[in-house]
Amino acid sequence: SAVISQKPSRDICQRGTSLTIQCQVDSQVTMMFWYRQQPGQSLTLIATANQGSEATYESGFVIDKFPISRPNLTFSTLTVSNMSPEDSSIYLCSVEDRRDSGANVLTFGAGSRLTVL
Amino acid sequence: DQQVKQNSPSLSVQEGRISILNCDYTNSMFDYFLWYKKYPAEGPTFLISISSIKDKNEDGRFTVFLNKSAKHLSLHIVPSQPGDSAVYFCAASYINDYKLSFGAGTTVTVRA
Repeated sequence: SAVISQKPSRDICQRGTSLTIQCQVDSQVTMMFWYRQQPGQSLTLIATANQGSEATYESGFVIDKFPISRPNLTFSTLTVSNMSPEDSSIYLCSVEDRRDSGANVLTFGAGSRLTVL
Repeated sequence: DQQVKQNSPSLSVQEGRISILNCDYTNSMFDYFLWYKKYPAEGPTFLISISSIKDKNEDGRFTVFLNKSAKHLSLHIVPSQPGDSAVYFCAASYINDYKLSFGAGTTVTVRA
C-alpha cells in the first residue's frame, strides 16, 4: 500500500484565516481524494484531486472555500479558506490502493485535525 | 442525505467474546461494502470487503455478512482482542468507482 504523509497533523486557527494542508504520497497515483470528518460524523468526500486539471467537487463543496492543487502524481494540497468554527474537522487525504475481491480500496493519511476558534 | 448508517455509536465487549457491528444502507445500487478500522491519530485502514452478489466474506477473525433484502450488513470479530479497540467505519461504493460513502462509525472497546 502507498504511504501518505499529511501536514500539519493538527493546528489551531483563527476565524477568517486560511490554512493549507499538504499530502505527499510515496508513489505515483492517479486518484487522490480529500475527505472531511466533522466531530461525531462520518467521513465525507470533499473532492477528487485531478493531476493537470481542476479538482472535481462533491455537492455542497465549492472551489472558493476548498481550493485544491495537484501539481504532480505524488502531491496535493487542500486549502480551507476563510475559516469559521464549523470548519473544525479532521481533513484526510486518500489515494487509490488496490482491489479487494473487486472492491476499490482507498489508503488514507493520518489526517489533519483543525480547530477554528 | 446519509446513505450508510451505523446506528450504534459504541460497543463494549469482553476479550475473547464476539463483537458484532451493524450497518444499514439505503441505496440498493451499491456494488461493494467495505469496513475500515481507525485508531486515534491515524487514518482509517481497510479491513474487509464484500461484493453485493455475496452474502458472506471471511478473513481470519473477521467475517462480514450481507443481507441485501434488508439492506443490512454486519461485521463479526471472533474472538475479540484488546488490539481490536478502535473506531470501525462501514462504507459503500459502486463498481469502478473509488468514491466511498461512509457511516458515522462505531467505537469498539474490548475489555480485558
